[in-house]
Amino acid sequence: SYELTQPPSVSVSPGQTARITCSGDALPKLYAHWYQQKPGQAPVMVIYKHSERPLGIPERFSGSSSGTTVTLTISGAQAEDEADYYCQSADSSGAYWVFGGGTRLTVL
Amino acid sequence: EVQLVQSEAEVRKPGESLKISCKGSGYSFTSYWIAWVRQMPGKGLECMGIIFPGDSDTRYSPSFEGQVTISADKSISTAYLQWSSLKASDTAMYYCARQRVLDETRWFDPWGQGTLVTVSS
Repeated sequence: SYELTQPPSVSVSPGQTARITCSGDALPKLYAHWYQQKPGQAPVMVIYKHSERPLGIPERFSGSSSGTTVTLTISGAQAEDEADYYCQSADSSGAYWVFGGGTRLTVL
Repeated sequence: EVQLVQSEAEVRKPGESLKISCKGSGYSFTSYWIAWVRQMPGKGLECMGIIFPGDSDTRYSPSFEGQVTISADKSISTAYLQWSSLKASDTAMYYCARQRVLDETRWFDPWGQGTLVTVSS
């Protein structure tokens, strides 16, 4: 089965750049998307199609792709960015969809 | 504003049945897939299946096939997730999410607020 692999945790100091990676063999062929989930809240999409940012998401959030790895970058991380982040991929046919295991970002 | 509003938290005993709901508003409910996503306590997100309310085309993740039933009533813009016989291991938060399909990919936006299902004797 297809899998996406994320590091369990990432820590940064306030104002530093946080980078969260997501690896999968199919990523060179398929888009990845990113979600932020704060404690006790529903997930919110922060990046779609590798690097597109939805309206209302701060500019400090960006995404990139290289080979089998996609990266979510938070430039100048703030305390409010502390959350779990999940990558996700799927094909258009609806034959399969998958989430990464999630990465807990700590800003301290 | 596009919104998905889910039914309230539920507590059931093992063996009981349950149906939770997700009502869409602010968009054409019959034109977008709706997904159901499970999050067990302290764990990650798992997509259980999707339904296209326009024609009720439904697809299940292999792990959930036969374990739950996904349905929709387009006349009231509502999707459902149901169990015929709950187990303690079904205790989880369940989210619905609108699925966007574009450029040979799918993503989930927005999400409902979640429905907590607790199964305990």
